[in-house]
Amino acid sequence: QVQLVESGGGLVKPGGSLRLSCAASGFTFSDYYMSWIRQAPGKGLEWVSYISSSSSYTNYADSVKGRFTISRDNAKNSLYLQMNSLRAEDTAVYYCAREDLRSRTLDYWGQGTLVTVSS
Amino acid sequence: QSVLTQPPSASGTPGQRVTISCSGSSSNIGSNTVNWYQHLPGTAPKLLIYSNNQRPSGVPDRFSGSKSGTSASLAISGLQSEDEADYYCAAWDDSLNGRWVFGGGTKLTVL
Repeated sequence: QVQLVESGGGLVKPGGSLRLSCAASGFTFSDYYMSWIRQAPGKGLEWVSYISSSSSYTNYADSVKGRFTISRDNAKNSLYLQMNSLRAEDTAVYYCAREDLRSRTLDYWGQGTLVTVSS
Repeated sequence: QSVLTQPPSASGTPGQRVTISCSGSSSNIGSNTVNWYQHLPGTAPKLLIYSNNQRPSGVPDRFSGSKSGTSASLAISGLQSEDEADYYCAAWDDSLNGRWVFGGGTKLTVL
């Protein structure tokens, strides 16, 4: 079955960096676009970034553009999010999600990893 | 501020029917399909409805979705206590080189 497992979250000081990973299994990872979505404490879901199946296309929310970089390694069935210049407002649970292009749906999500930015 | 607009809360008693609305614009709901998610704290969001009104396998037919113009709605009939959760609408938005947009979420309370 489809599984997405995030890792790499933790406590980091403002201005610091963190790299999140998402390990995928149960499907042909290289066939799918992938996204990162986050949820700040007490807030709703916010899309962060997406990457196409071959890494040709990426896009970012304005709130993270220039600070975050999405990437993937299809040989390792893994998705990444490099987060630099972290701010308190980046504190959130970060989820990776698979996109089904045919139905234009984020159909499977991981359980999330918590990132806390605090001094 | 979320791009899609949902009521922050909804409630109903067991067995009742409740609906949750989701309002957007021409660049998202008006030109793309709507998905609905059920989210319990500490868990992965679960896809409830895709392509406006389609249920993934395993989702009870008590859950239904509809879309008209730039608005959509999720209906839950025969409300059960386990339906108490946060519900989010989502759609692809064609602006800003393409992005996913979400509603702010609706907290459903089963009284």
